[in-house]
Amino acid sequence: QKEVEQNSGPLSVPEGAIASLNCTYSDRGSQSFFWYRQYSGKSPELIMFIYSNGDKEDGRFTAQLNKASQYVSLLIRDSQPSDSATYLCASEGGGGADGLTFGKGTHLIIQP
Amino acid sequence: NAGVTQTPKFQVLKTGQSMTLQCAQDMNHNSMYWYRQDPGMGLRLIYYSASEGTTDKGEVPNGYNVSRLNKREFSLRLESAAPSQTSVYFCASSDVWGSYNEQFFGPGTRLTVL
Repeated sequence: QKEVEQNSGPLSVPEGAIASLNCTYSDRGSQSFFWYRQYSGKSPELIMFIYSNGDKEDGRFTAQLNKASQYVSLLIRDSQPSDSATYLCASEGGGGADGLTFGKGTHLIIQP
Repeated sequence: NAGVTQTPKFQVLKTGQSMTLQCAQDMNHNSMYWYRQDPGMGLRLIYYSASEGTTDKGEVPNGYNVSRLNKREFSLRLESAAPSQTSVYFCASSDVWGSYNEQFFGPGTRLTVL
């Protein structure tokens, strides 16, 4: 069974610092990985997508993928209180429209 | 563009009652999904529809049925609700390009079964 593992937290980071969120996945056939942000009581929204080994940057966000180690991470630079949310890591199964496998999410708290 | 819409937003059922959760998308996406989210469990896939006319089971399909009514609409039915089905239900839609499957989520339905 495909699994995506995340530390549930909470992860507490001072405002302005770098927040580092990690996840590991079990299925070596997974090709693409997604980071969703979910505010309390709201639906998930996509913030980053990565499918190649290495880093991908978008504004304050950097996604990192290491397929050999089956490891995905999300860095948030210059963390803001508005970044406080649950971050969900998800993997795609290797082609097709058969849904994503989500981790349980990491609760991030940015302390002003 | 409304994106993905879901009705109702909240529902309380008694054990054994039935109901249908409605989902519609206006992004012309081919694929649609139903997930449930429970505290500490993350999002789990119930059913999905890769394209109009097809449906497939996900990780937790027991107790549910689905209908892909047309390209826009994908409904989830609980025939005989149980307290274990108390959850937040999210519908999502996407267009799939190879391994790229960006899913857009609706606002969710919060269901309580007493």
